[in-house]
Amino acid sequence: KQEVTQIPAALSVPEGENLVLNCSFTDSAIYNLQWFRQDPGKGLTSLLLIQSSQREQTSGRLNASLDKSSGRSTLYIAASQPGDSATYLCAVRNTGGFKTIFGAGTRLFVKA
Amino acid sequence: EAGVAQSPRYKIIEKRQSVAFWCNPISGHATLYWYQQILGQGPKLLIQFQNNGVVDDSQLPKDRFSAERLKGVDSTLKIQPAKLEDSAVYLCASSLNFGHPNEKLFFGSGTQLSVL
Repeated sequence: KQEVTQIPAALSVPEGENLVLNCSFTDSAIYNLQWFRQDPGKGLTSLLLIQSSQREQTSGRLNASLDKSSGRSTLYIAASQPGDSATYLCAVRNTGGFKTIFGAGTRLFVKA
Repeated sequence: EAGVAQSPRYKIIEKRQSVAFWCNPISGHATLYWYQQILGQGPKLLIQFQNNGVVDDSQLPKDRFSAERLKGVDSTLKIQPAKLEDSAVYLCASSLNFGHPNEKLFFGSGTQLSVL
């Protein structure tokens, strides 16, 4: 059974700092991995999607990497801004059944 | 492009009452998902539709939850009767290309349900 863990659960950093959010999963037979952002009281917004055959994806200040063999993904945020404050969730889609399993998220607060 | 629409945004009911949520996916998206997100947790899949057929409802508490997508577009999720532990945000998502490695999920803003 796939389990997705995100550490840390919460993170507070000063503006301008580069930071890394971690996601680990127990079953490496994945189809893809997606990182989402969730603002309070809102739905989820897709940030980056990495297919199982890919190692990383980049969008602006965001870079996501995937290492299937170790069951890990990281989301790197460069030069953090107060507007980056939100909860970041990773979601793994399994190859069998195409079910998507979410982590509990990392709550990020960027101080001005 | 219009996003996934959900209503209502908030709902407060007493236990044992019934409640219904509505979702209109992005135009052309054949796949529709309902998720339950309890505070502090990630979303958990309740049911997945492909057009108007159910693909996966293995985690739907069928004694009290039901969902339909009659014409393959809009969907409703119903709880009857509600329990205290049903308090959560109910999220609807849709996607265009189910099963494709590049399939992205697009979420609505959710309905926040409080059961008192």
